[in-house]
This record gives sequence, structure tokens and C-alpha cells, in this order.
Amino acid sequence: DAGVTQSPTHLIKTRGQQVTLRCSPKSGHDTVSWYQQALGQGPQFIFQYYEEEERQRGNFPDRFSGHQFPNYSSELNVNALLLGDSALYLCASSLFRQGARDTQYFGPGTRLTVL
Amino acid sequence: QQQVKQSPQSLIVQKGGISIINCAYENTAFDYFPWYQQFPGKGPALLIAIRPDVSEKKEGRFTISFNKSAKQFSLHIMDSQPGDSATYFCAARGGAQKLVFGQGTRLTINP
Repeated sequence: DAGVTQSPTHLIKTRGQQVTLRCSPKSGHDTVSWYQQALGQGPQFIFQYYEEEERQRGNFPDRFSGHQFPNYSSELNVNALLLGDSALYLCASSLFRQGARDTQYFGPGTRLTVL
Repeated sequence: QQQVKQSPQSLIVQKGGISIINCAYENTAFDYFPWYQQFPGKGPALLIAIRPDVSEKKEGRFTISFNKSAKQFSLHIMDSQPGDSATYFCAARGGAQKLVFGQGTRLTINP
């Protein structure tokens, strides 16, 4: 049973460019959340997708957008990259059940460096 | 109100000792409190989690103590081993599975 997978592993971009990161959730999971983890910090919630819709959003600008596909995989897009966007981007998958307390399982992350 | 405060920032413990990491929160709507372990270059991995209606949960060498009235919870690692050296994050869940993380504790176990 494959866990959460993310691609690519590493990415180097320059300021102003756009980037797309990809995530495949753990088998059986239908919800994908994205987090940004700056060096030496805890992960910060970006947004969450369920049933191909953005369900909840953290305090991130509109430059950050996403998508979820019918197979539950997801993409994170960041436009007009800034130096401050350099971070480890984590995808977490879970099973959405109202009132449940299901665990989020994290992928290995994509290390984005903006030069 | 959405913050989770974690301490200490770093911790050094001798092999066989007890490692203790503390977290505090403000939002009483949080309903689930997991601890994650993260090694360099890896994503966080769930270690142990607790619900607010339980005061303590133990899994092997790892124990969470939860004080609902004080809005505090802590992770205890008994018989700490060099392989436990990692960064530990406490978290709290509020609304639609959104996790709010603490700042992390870098734990070093000296052999």
C-alpha cells in the first residue's frame, strides 16, 4: 500500500516564475491538504481539497492555488514566485468523515528553492 | 487563538533518559492533538495522538499527557535512544481537519 507520494523531490525556480507541485494521496484517502514548511519552522496550512473543491484555506495569498482531480490526486500552483516562497511543501492525505478524527499522513515533501 | 506554542526549542538528553516536550494552546475548539516526528529531508510522521476527553495516552515508550483545564499537553519519551534524535512537532486540529503546528523541538539524544 503506497503512502503519500509527491513530485518532484526538488525544484529550483527564479523569482517571478510559476511552479506546479503534485501529490498522490494514500490509497483509500479522499482529502488532500497542503502545507508550507519554512526552514526551522512548523508546517503552515495552505489549503485543503475534498470532492475537487477547496474546502478551507489558510492565510496565504491568491498566488497559491490548487486543484484536485477525480482520482483524488492534487496539484499546488504558485504564481509570481518570491524569494520567501522557498520552503518544503508538504502534502497530507486523510479520509473525510464528518465528526471523525482521522489522521493526516504526510508525504516526503517537495523542496522549492527560489533564486 | 489559532496558535500552538511549543517548548523547548531544542533539547539534549542522555541515552536512557526521559525527554519531555510541552505545548500550549488557546482555542478550545481544537478536538485532536497529534505529535509528529520529522527527520531531516523527510515529511512529518505521526507518532501518537490524543483526544481532549482523555488525560493520558501511552504507546510503547511514548506518552502524551493532556491537561484540558490548563490547555496544555506534553510528550514524554521514556528510555530515550539515539534513534529518537529528530525534530518533534505538536499540533492541534481545528475545523475540517486543518492542523495548526507548534514551532518544533529539535531533540538530540547523546549516546
